[in-house]
Amino acid sequence: NAGVTQTPKFRILKIGQSMTLQCTQDMNHNYMYWYRQDPGMGLKLIYYSVGAGITDKGEVPNGYNVSRSTTEDFPLRLELAAPSQTSVYFCASTLTENTGELFFGEGSRLTVL
Amino acid sequence: AQSVAQPEDQVNVAEGNPLTVKCTYSVSGNPYLFWYVQYPNRGLQFLLKYITGDNLVKGSYGFEAEFNKSQTSFHLKKPSALVSDSALYFCAVRDMGAAGNKLTFGGGTRVLVKP
Repeated sequence: NAGVTQTPKFRILKIGQSMTLQCTQDMNHNYMYWYRQDPGMGLKLIYYSVGAGITDKGEVPNGYNVSRSTTEDFPLRLELAAPSQTSVYFCASTLTENTGELFFGEGSRLTVL
Repeated sequence: AQSVAQPEDQVNVAEGNPLTVKCTYSVSGNPYLFWYVQYPNRGLQFLLKYITGDNLVKGSYGFEAEFNKSQTSFHLKKPSALVSDSALYFCAVRDMGAAGNKLTFGGGTRVLVKP
């Protein structure tokens, strides 16, 4: 099993450009999450989904959008990139609400110049 | 609201010595508590969790953690550290009564184990 797969691993954007970070999991997990990691700040939850067709905001959703059309995929969209969105982004998933253990992807490092 | 504090940015320890990484939490209800480890340029990996039951939880790679409700702490421990334990460690909490299984992470503690 591949687990949680994120693409791209690295990307440089110019201010105002748009892009989508892709996330796919092959574990048939219902719950999926997007976090961003900034140095010394831990991980902050951007958006999450409890199943296909259902998404909700996390702690820092501004500037981002998500969709969940299938169980496997949970893409994160940046519409107008800003330098404040320079970060490492992690996608994670878990089977049910009760297990708690998240499975993380390898991360996507985004730089906005 | 739920929050996690990891008071130490970095912990240095000699190989073979005991390792402790501190974590305190705040939730309105009962907590689910977790430890994750992150190696350079990798995603986070699950180490252990406390849901209920025995306050001493054993996890992967010889790590354990002790849940202390009165002190609202969940410190990570390893009796004898290895150089390969050098990594970034995150404590996380979830309010048991909250929907969505949303974890709140601490800022992380970098562990450096010297030979």
